[in-house]
Amino acid sequence: GDSVTQMEGPVTLSEEAFLTINCTYTATGYPSLFWYVQYPGEGLQLLLKATKADDKGSNKGFEATYRKETTSFHLEKGSVQVSDSAVYFCALFYNQGGKLIFGQGTELSVKP
Amino acid sequence: SQTIHQWPATLVQPVGSPLSLECTVEGTSNPNLYWYRQAAGRGLQLLFYSVGIGQISSEVPQNLSASRPQDRQFILSSKKLLLSDSGFYLCAWSVVGGLNIQYFGAGTRLSVL
Repeated sequence: GDSVTQMEGPVTLSEEAFLTINCTYTATGYPSLFWYVQYPGEGLQLLLKATKADDKGSNKGFEATYRKETTSFHLEKGSVQVSDSAVYFCALFYNQGGKLIFGQGTELSVKP
Repeated sequence: SQTIHQWPATLVQPVGSPLSLECTVEGTSNPNLYWYRQAAGRGLQLLFYSVGIGQISSEVPQNLSASRPQDRQFILSSKKLLLSDSGFYLCAWSVVGGLNIQYFGAGTRLSVL
């Protein structure tokens, strides 16, 4: 079945470091892909999305490119801030399945 | 604009007691509604989703149930809580059709003691 796999956390970085959180997916069709962010004690918020191959989603300095050939949607940011500390979830939506499928989440901790 | 409300924010309940968590959505009609559970250190587990009043799909068999008595109201219940029911419960909504972008409530932290 459809699934999403994220890199294990927690990821600990110093402020202004480069961030990559890996995400790969398995799907029988052509899903839309999402990154959600969960700040401590809160619900999830949509961070960015991409709906077709080679699309790049971007928001708040974060970027992710839909790579169909490698079935990946890695999240990147050039310079992280302490305020980026959160749990990040990769997810896919497959129209025929009708549900959002989440990865297990990756915790990011940014130290000053 | 649309908003989603969950309450209570925090709940401590003894084992064997009943549970009722409520979620309401404002500013939209006929949304898809979802209940998720997030156990400590784990990802999101979809528990129930609903595409309309009285229509509930269960993803995981357990001692929880869900109901949708009104278009924008979604209730998660249990008759007798277990220790393993502890976790962070999140309600979400999405527009029918489209990309299924889901919008989440602030969550309820449930501790069963």
